[in-house]
Amino acid sequence: SQKIEQNSEALNIQEGKTATLTCNYTNYSPAYLQWYRQDPGRGPVFLLLIRENEKEKRKERLKVTFDTTLKQSLFHITASQPADSATYLCVVPTGGGNKLTFGTGTQLKVEL
Amino acid sequence: EPEVTQTPSHQVTQMGQEVILRCVPISNHLYFYWYRQILGQKVEFLVSFYNNEISEKSEIFDDQFSVERPDGSNFTLKIRSTKLEDSAMYFCASSGLAGGHETQYFGPGTRLLVL
Repeated sequence: SQKIEQNSEALNIQEGKTATLTCNYTNYSPAYLQWYRQDPGRGPVFLLLIRENEKEKRKERLKVTFDTTLKQSLFHITASQPADSATYLCVVPTGGGNKLTFGTGTQLKVEL
Repeated sequence: EPEVTQTPSHQVTQMGQEVILRCVPISNHLYFYWYRQILGQKVEFLVSFYNNEISEKSEIFDDQFSVERPDGSNFTLKIRSTKLEDSAMYFCASSGLAGGHETQYFGPGTRLLVL
């Protein structure tokens, strides 16, 4: 079955720097991959979707890459702010397509 | 901006009792889901629902669970005879046809505590 691996260690960076989070999947390449943000005690919030035929996707300060050869996606936040502090979840469709499989998430802390 | 809403935000129940968790999906969405997240663990898929029937369910979604769309707006998850291990955050999500149904929009969750 598909496994999603994210760095379980928290990532601490200084305000203004670029945060880079990694997602690796173990099995077949999904048709698309998504990144969500989750704050403590809250539901996941959709950020970006990237399809297997797209190398890169951008939205404001966010950038996602998708490398089907490496079976990896990178998620970048440029000019990071303390408000970006949250857990970021890598998510792929599995099974019939409607079911989403989540990674454990990487906690990002942006310090002043 | 339309949102998925869930009630109650918190629910405490005794082991063996039945609970019903309620969700109002985004109004023009056609696909509905329940996920759960045990404290400190990842979000796990429970069930998906489309056209008034279950389209997919996980191994977690056994006979003690059921879902229903009793009217045009609500989507419910019923847990019969709750167990201690059912304690978790339960998230409802929905997705629509416009722009594809890949992106699922999540509600704020119901925190269920079984004592």
